Amino acid sequence: GENVEQHPSTLSVQEGDSAVIKCTYSDSASNYFPWYKQELGKRPQLIIDIRSNVGEKKDQRIAVTLNKTAKHFSLHITETQPEDSAVYFCAASNRGGADGLTFGKGTHLIIQP
Amino acid sequence: KAGVTQTPRYLIKTRGQQVTLSCSPISGHRSVSWYQQTPGQGLQFLFEYFSETQRNKGNFPGRFSGRQFSNSRSEMNVSTLELGDSALYLCASSSEQEKLFFGSGTQLSVL
Repeated sequence: GENVEQHPSTLSVQEGDSAVIKCTYSDSASNYFPWYKQELGKRPQLIIDIRSNVGEKKDQRIAVTLNKTAKHFSLHITETQPEDSAVYFCAASNRGGADGLTFGKGTHLIIQP
Repeated sequence: KAGVTQTPRYLIKTRGQQVTLSCSPISGHRSVSWYQQTPGQGLQFLFEYFSETQRNKGNFPGRFSGRQFSNSRSEMNVSTLELGDSALYLCASSSEQEKLFFGSGTQLSVL
């Protein structure tokens, strides 16, 4: 089955700086890659997703890049703000596959004032 | 549109007991998935239901089961509870197979 590795486990950045979280996946058949943000005590929320026919997608301060050859994808957050502090999860899936979404272990992003 | 609703929010059980968790999906969503979240293992896929049929299943023992009703509401059951079953159980609904919207979860503590 699919295996998703996520790095780093903890990331501390100064407010206003950029943050990058990286994930690798093992199953070359995976074709859908969402990112979820989970604030303390709250539900995971989808913040951006990308499909394998696209190399990059942006939504305001958030962008995701995908390298299918290397089987890795990354989340980029620019101009970080205190409300960006949360745990971020990457995931991968093969549409129609038997494994559902396979999640990375999460990155705790800390925005330092 | 109301979000995904899970009940109860918290549960405390003892080893050997069984538990049933409930999930009401977003109106119009026919797919309901269940995930277990623990600090050590992160989010792990349990199973997915679509139109009252289990369509996908993760790597969990048979003590974990579920079902879906004709109105798309879903229940998850865990029998013969073990200490290691203590976790946050998250339900997610989807109108397509991939874009998941999560509920707030049921925090299960097994003593």
